[in-house]
Order: sequence, then C-alpha cells, then structure tokens
Amino acid sequence: NAGVTQTPKFQVLKTGQSMTLQCAQDMNHNSMYWYRQDPGMGLRLIYYSASEGTTDKGEVPNGYNVSRLNKREFSLRLESAAPSQTSVYFCASSEAGRDGYTFGSGTRLTVV
Amino acid sequence: GESVGLHLPTLSVQEGDNSIINCAYSNSASDYFIWYKQESGKGPQFIIDIRSNMDKRQGQRVTVLLNKTVKHLSLQIAATQPGDSAVYFCAETLNTGGFKTIFGAGTRLFVKA
Repeated sequence: NAGVTQTPKFQVLKTGQSMTLQCAQDMNHNSMYWYRQDPGMGLRLIYYSASEGTTDKGEVPNGYNVSRLNKREFSLRLESAAPSQTSVYFCASSEAGRDGYTFGSGTRLTVV
Repeated sequence: GESVGLHLPTLSVQEGDNSIINCAYSNSASDYFIWYKQESGKGPQFIIDIRSNMDKRQGQRVTVLLNKTVKHLSLQIAATQPGDSAVYFCAETLNTGGFKTIFGAGTRLFVKA
C-alpha cells in the first residue's frame, strides 16, 4: 500500500518556466490537498479538493492551478514559476477532511 | 485571528527521559486535534489524535492532553528515543461549512544519546 505518491521529488526551474506536480493516492480517500512548507511558517494550504469534481482555493492560491483528474489524482500546476515559489510542496489526502491526513514525501522545488 | 502556535520552537531531551511538546490554539470552535511527526526529508506522519469530547488519549508511548478551558494541547512522549528526533506539530480542525485544518509551525525535538 503506497499511500500518497508525489512526483518529482526534486525540481529546479528557471523563472517563468511552467511545471506540474503530480500526486496520486491509493486509499480511496475523498479529499486531497496541496500544501507548501517554508521554514518557520508551517504548512500553508494552496488548494484542496473536498471530493472528486470539486476544487477550492486555500490560503495561498496565487500563481497555482490544480486539477482533480479523478478520485486518485490531484495535480498542481505552476504556470509561470517565480522565486517566491521556491518551497517544499506536499500533497495529502483524507477520507473526508474530518480526520487525519496522509501526506506524500514532498517535492522540493527551487526556482532560480 | 485563527492560529495554532507552539510554546517552544526547539526541545532537547536526554534519551530515556519523557518529552512534552506544547501547542496553543485560538479557535474555541475547533473540535478535532492531531499531532504529526515530520522527520528530515519526509512528509508529516500522523501520530495521535483527540476529539474535543475527550481530555486525554493514549497511544504507544505517546499521550495527548487537551485542555479546552485554556485552549492548550500537549504531546507527551515516554522514554524518548533517538528515533523520536523530528519536528512535531499540532493541527486543529473546525467545521466552517466545510472542514478547515490549521497547522502549527512545529517544534524540533532533539534526543541526546
């Protein structure tokens, strides 16, 4: 049972480049989330999907877009990367948002 | 505003001692709380949770205490081991029409051998 799988694990982008972070869960969870983690700031919610077919903005959505491709997959896209988006990105899932989260291992993104 | 904070950003304990990590939350409507452990280079991992209708919950070597009167949450780790070295952070969940979870910034626990 893999849990939550994120790809890639590391990425370096030049300012203005685009990329998509992939996330898949195999626990049949309804809710999925994208967070960024910066030193001293904890986890900040970028976007979430409470259930298949729905997505909503979180605390820091600017510069990002998401797609809930199906119940298993939730991708995060950076259309035009900026140095301020240098961070570690975590995908998470939960049964219904009313319980604990299962996190992926993270994507460390550097924008130069 | 809403916030989840920690009293101690770092905690250093001797192997075998008990550890106590504290967390303050500000939203009295929060009714579900979780402690996560995050090891270097890994994603956060669920440790233990507690709902607001409880004051205490025990797991294997870990105990979570909830004091709703002062909006305080603590994680106690018994007989701390080197493998417990990590960042620990608390999270609170409240129902705002949908469920909203707020994460604290974390406390780094160092276990000295």
